[in-house]
Amino acid sequence: SAVISQKPSRDICQRGTSLTIQCQVDSQVTMMFWYRQQPGQSLTLIATANQGSEATYESGFVIDKFPISRPNLTFSTLTVSNMSPEDSSIYLCSVSGLAGAGINIQYFGAGTRLSVL
Amino acid sequence: QKEVEQDPGPLSVPEGAIVSLNCTYSNSAFQYFMWYRQYSRKGPELLMYTYSSGNKEDGRFTAQVDKSSKYISLFIRDSQPSDSATYLCATDGGSNYQLIWGAGTKLIIKP
Repeated sequence: SAVISQKPSRDICQRGTSLTIQCQVDSQVTMMFWYRQQPGQSLTLIATANQGSEATYESGFVIDKFPISRPNLTFSTLTVSNMSPEDSSIYLCSVSGLAGAGINIQYFGAGTRLSVL
Repeated sequence: QKEVEQDPGPLSVPEGAIVSLNCTYSNSAFQYFMWYRQYSRKGPELLMYTYSSGNKEDGRFTAQVDKSSKYISLFIRDSQPSDSATYLCATDGGSNYQLIWGAGTKLIIKP
């Protein structure tokens, strides 16, 4: 398994500002993912970050709003830009891993709870 | 139609009861299935994973897959208040190492 540290754990921000969330893994991983989770809702994938290439964004998410960096195999950042109250959510970082029989699974950080005023 | 359907609940049961959590999926090509548990203010953690039809047991938890009906279940025996959490089912049917997630079921175990 992988241990994932995500910072900050929570923040309260003013609209129009930007917040960068950091995700640090204790081992080298190929694929990292960024999710958004509204309270009481399931996980919505924002983008997939592969080291050495541009992040791949899901429908409804754009690079200008959610720029992602992946400088090496153990670290990634997600920036939430020009925030509005609608960006208030939990943001989660995850990494890919393999369970027995080659099953693709993911390990998660504790998340960043963001409130935008 | 969503690829993985899961009733969001909440599901409230008394302590000691057997809990049944369920998901259905639409694509018969999906092969692997996972259950994640998410406590409040925490990230999801992998609870169990299964590949083939049948049962897989781990302590009080049993994961069951019925590929003929595209139905997956998680049973919790002798449920405890500490089992109160949101349980998410997932399958690895996505592209590029992505997982496809159910909505998550909020489970409440009443002492």
